[in-house]
Amino acid sequence: AQSVTQLDSQVPVFEEAPVELRCNYSSSVSVYLFWYVQYPNQGLQLLLKYLSGSTLVESINGFEAEFNKSQTSFHLRKPSVHISDTAEYFCAVSEETNAGKSTFGDGTTLTVKP
Amino acid sequence: DTGVSQNPRHKITKRGQNVTFRCDPISEHNRLYWYRQTLGQGPEFLTYFQNEAQLEKSRLLSDRFSAERPKGSFSTLEIQRTEQGDSAMYLCASSLGVATPLDTQYFGPGTRLTVL
Repeated sequence: AQSVTQLDSQVPVFEEAPVELRCNYSSSVSVYLFWYVQYPNQGLQLLLKYLSGSTLVESINGFEAEFNKSQTSFHLRKPSVHISDTAEYFCAVSEETNAGKSTFGDGTTLTVKP
Repeated sequence: DTGVSQNPRHKITKRGQNVTFRCDPISEHNRLYWYRQTLGQGPEFLTYFQNEAQLEKSRLLSDRFSAERPKGSFSTLEIQRTEQGDSAMYLCASSLGVATPLDTQYFGPGTRLTVL
């Protein structure tokens, strides 16, 4: 069975600073990896996903995540955050053999301060 | 709005009562998922459907829980004899269900259940 650990429950940063939200996973088979974002009072939205190919994936709003198979990690980064990035971020994994079932981490609350 | 909708948005019930939630997926989405999310935790997978077929159920889904998708469109999640531990946000998501893993799950706003 797969599992996901998000290493930081809360990350406070100042506007325009870089940020990294850490995610480690465990699985005995090949996986797909996802980051979801939940803005205040909104539903979960897919931010980006790794399926195969290039280990670096990017979102349209400047976030990127790198799949590191040897370290079983999928950390999310942004070089310069905005106030509007304040949200809760969830890392998720699903196994290639059962892609319909996703396992989520417990979330990281990113708070961007002016 | 053509997103995933869930009703009701909030439900307060007394322990021992039965409750039913409804999820309407995005039109033409073949897959529908149910998750449960408690405070401070991420969503936990409960079950999912491909059209009307229930393909997988988590062991979290005890015999008090039942989900249906009778015509392959909307789905209902029923909890019988509710317990205080059932208090949570119940999330529904849908996806096209074709060419996984290229599928993307779209989440609804959730139904918050409080069991007194």
